[in-house]
Amino acid sequence: ETGVTQSPTHLIKTRGQQVTLRCSSQSGHNTVSWYQQALGQGPQFIFQYYREEENGRGNFPPRFSGLQFPNYSSELNVNALELDDSALYLCASTPRRGQGVEQYFGPGTRLTVT
Amino acid sequence: SQQGEEDPQALSIQEGENATMNCSYKTSINNLQWYRQNSGRGLVHLILIRSNEREKHSGRLRVTLDTSKKSSSLLITASRAADTASYFCATVITGANNLFFGTGTRLTVIP
Repeated sequence: ETGVTQSPTHLIKTRGQQVTLRCSSQSGHNTVSWYQQALGQGPQFIFQYYREEENGRGNFPPRFSGLQFPNYSSELNVNALELDDSALYLCASTPRRGQGVEQYFGPGTRLTVT
Repeated sequence: SQQGEEDPQALSIQEGENATMNCSYKTSINNLQWYRQNSGRGLVHLILIRSNEREKHSGRLRVTLDTSKKSSSLLITASRAADTASYFCATVITGANNLFFGTGTRLTVIP
């Protein structure tokens, strides 16, 4: 297992509500990425944070936002939840920015929107 | 659309047999990575192959990369029941830092 942790494990929300998911990166890792994985699909990139700044964003609307803290942990916030937001949300950390780097994934948060 | 597509979508083999999964992608890449996922949980990195490499080995894993065909394959030799999982290829395209995942291959190894 990696040293990346995520909370909560499972979450049920109602359409229109807001949710915050949390991720603690592996010790020494300063870059965190968030992915959304719908059932039966591969993960899709939401955004990446490097040293508390957004460092790239995928094709997700502005109601998906994030933060990275000085200890490199991170939050994913989703406003105005929609049914299609139901998915497994994965965070991944890397020891540095860059292309030739493997990512260390957490166990994910399963979000269900009803 | 996702950068990579795996083939087959599902594969069922007997323990001890070899399993081969293929991945195709669309644009120039910096590197290609393979990940494993058990039962919808976190992904585990298996192997990374750079665009200037053609083949790489790690234990029972062998990965090939053909940049002219924009394709890669993952071979798992002497499969075990514990290899049952979903396997994803993920590309890092030139100029980007994030991973673009394919749709995955669901591997079932029958004891």
